[in-house]
Order: sequence, then C-alpha cells, then structure tokens
Amino acid sequence: EVQLVESGGGLVQPGGSLRLSCAASGFTFSAYWMHWVRQAPGKGLEWVSRITSDGSTTTYADSVRGRFTVSRDNAKNTLYLQMNSLRAEDTAVYYCARVYCDGAGCYKGFQHWGQGTLVTVSS
Amino acid sequence: QSALTQPPSASGSPGQSVTISCTGTSSDVGGYNYVSWYQQHPGKAPKLMIYDVSKRPSGVPDRFSGSKSGNTASLTVSGLQAEDEADYYCSSYAGSDSDVVFGGGTKVTVL
Repeated sequence: EVQLVESGGGLVQPGGSLRLSCAASGFTFSAYWMHWVRQAPGKGLEWVSRITSDGSTTTYADSVRGRFTVSRDNAKNTLYLQMNSLRAEDTAVYYCARVYCDGAGCYKGFQHWGQGTLVTVSS
Repeated sequence: QSALTQPPSASGSPGQSVTISCTGTSSDVGGYNYVSWYQQHPGKAPKLMIYDVSKRPSGVPDRFSGSKSGNTASLTVSGLQAEDEADYYCSSYAGSDSDVVFGGGTKVTVL
C-alpha cells in the first residue's frame, strides 16, 4: 500500500525558514516524480513544486520560486521542501503527492496524498 | 499560472445529476487532455475521481464522469448520494514550466 507521511510543519515567524519532509513507503520511491501541493485554510488547492525521479529537474509555482527548494533522498525514501523567506500567505496545509499509475503506465492525476502538515506563518 | 475557473457552488437532490464546469485557456485545459478532478471532504486529503479528462481510477463509481470541450472541462455526478456532498477541484497540466494548475473549487450540496 502506498503511504506518504508529511512532517515538519509548525509555527514560524515571517521571514523564517522551515523544512518539510515526506516519508514514502509501499512503492519504489526512486522511480517516481513527486509533487508538493498546498491548501490555505478555507481555500483551494495550489500546486507548489515537482521533482523528477532522480532529483535532476525541479519546477516551481511562481508564488514560491526563488524561496522554496524541493529535493529528495532516494536512499531514505524521503521528499523534502525547504521553505525560506516565509510569508503570511504561505500559511497552509502542505501535502506531498504522487501520480496515479496502473499496469498500463502513469498518468497526471494525483492518486496518492499524505495527510498533510500545517505550516503557520505568523508573528 | 492563473487558476482555472469553477463555480463556487452547485447542488442537487438525491438521485439527480449535477455538472461542474472548469474553464481554463488554450495553455492548459484546451491544450492538453490532462484534466483531473478531485473530491475533498472536510479535513481530508483530496481523492482523485477523474484523470485524463474522462478516465476513472479503479474504485471510483461510474456515477462520476468527465468531459471536455475546448477550454472548458466538466464533471458530472449522476444519481447524487449524500456522501457526494464535498468540495470538488479540477486541475490541468499546463506545460513543463507550470506543470499543474488547479481550479478554485466547487462546493457540492446534496439537498
């Protein structure tokens, strides 16, 4: 069974930093691209970042580019999101997610989600 | 990376159908057949209901169907049930630089 477990959220002051982790199990982590998606309280979903299976290529939403860095450790089956220069508008539940795959291949919908970790940016 | 446009709310009685629209541009919805739909109950992670415009992952009831015309995608829930009351989000692939864009969400109420 695919499991994704996020950790590392908490309260941080504006301008501060935080590193989120996502521990993966139940699948060959090193074979899959991984994503971060966030949801501000009472708001909709927002895609944040993506990293390729070998970590060589990363992509970011305009709202976080230059402040957030996604990385992974395939030996530890763990995805990371380093968040710097945090702003109040970064307050959200952060989910890691993996796309849906079946016997025929992988697709662009996010089938597997973690439970999320809450990041609150406030003084 | 503008969000896709969804109506804020939709409703229907049990057994009826409800259709939710998702409007984007030729750079996302209209440019790729990679529209997905998610159902989210309060306090829970989203659940994938539709991928690639109209395909259902295993385990999703066939009461849920998706379609697309031009820059607008749609999700139809037929035979509404009480457990279908939730927020629904569309998303689309938007190219290698932007990757994924989501809609603002639609709250579906079962009357």
